[in-house]
Amino acid sequence: DIQLTQSPSSLSASVGDRVTITCRASQSISSYLNWYQQKPGEAPKLLIYAASSLQRGVPSRFSGSGSGTDFTLTISSLQPEDFATYYCQQSYSAPCFGQGTKLEIK
Amino acid sequence: QVQLVQSGTEVKKPGASVKVSCKASGYTFSNYVISWVRQAPGQGLEWMGWINPYNEKATYAQKFQGRVTMTTDTSTSTAYMEVRSLGTDDTAVYYCAKNAVAAHFENWGQGTLVTVSS
Repeated sequence: DIQLTQSPSSLSASVGDRVTITCRASQSISSYLNWYQQKPGEAPKLLIYAASSLQRGVPSRFSGSGSGTDFTLTISSLQPEDFATYYCQQSYSAPCFGQGTKLEIK
Repeated sequence: QVQLVQSGTEVKKPGASVKVSCKASGYTFSNYVISWVRQAPGQGLEWMGWINPYNEKATYAQKFQGRVTMTTDTSTSTAYMEVRSLGTDDTAVYYCAKNAVAAHFENWGQGTLVTVSS
């Protein structure tokens, strides 16, 4: 089974900061990597699919990159509404998620 | 617009079963796979399996094989997931999600809280 490891597990940042979250797969998954945002009490929301494609309606400050085993989600300038937990998910084989990265206000 | 509306909160005793529904609207139900994902309190997301409403073929995560059954009713555009032999570690919010063609989860239901307690 493919394992996904996110880093860091938690992160403190300020409004306006540039933030990067990393997701590493235990084997190559080509570009079959997706990113979700989840706020407390809400369902996850798709941000990025196929490693770098921005889901319709998602602000352009979110971007994704990578292929093979190493992937990143970047938020170019943090906004107050971006403080949430972020998950990566692979769709190369039976889906699985990373453990999550909690982004908190510094 | 695409909407997935799930059934309400459930409280069950250990050993019981629960069946959660997910009613879809805003798209052609039979054209897209529905996945089920759960999230235990304070924990991450766990994929449980998916079902293709076109042919009712379901694929389950190994952990849930034999204990979970996913079905669909195309006449009402509703997906169902039944979990049997509930234990306290099945306490979680259960989500349905519409898969895009490339198997990412494009749209999500609001979640159904299932609490298992004696």
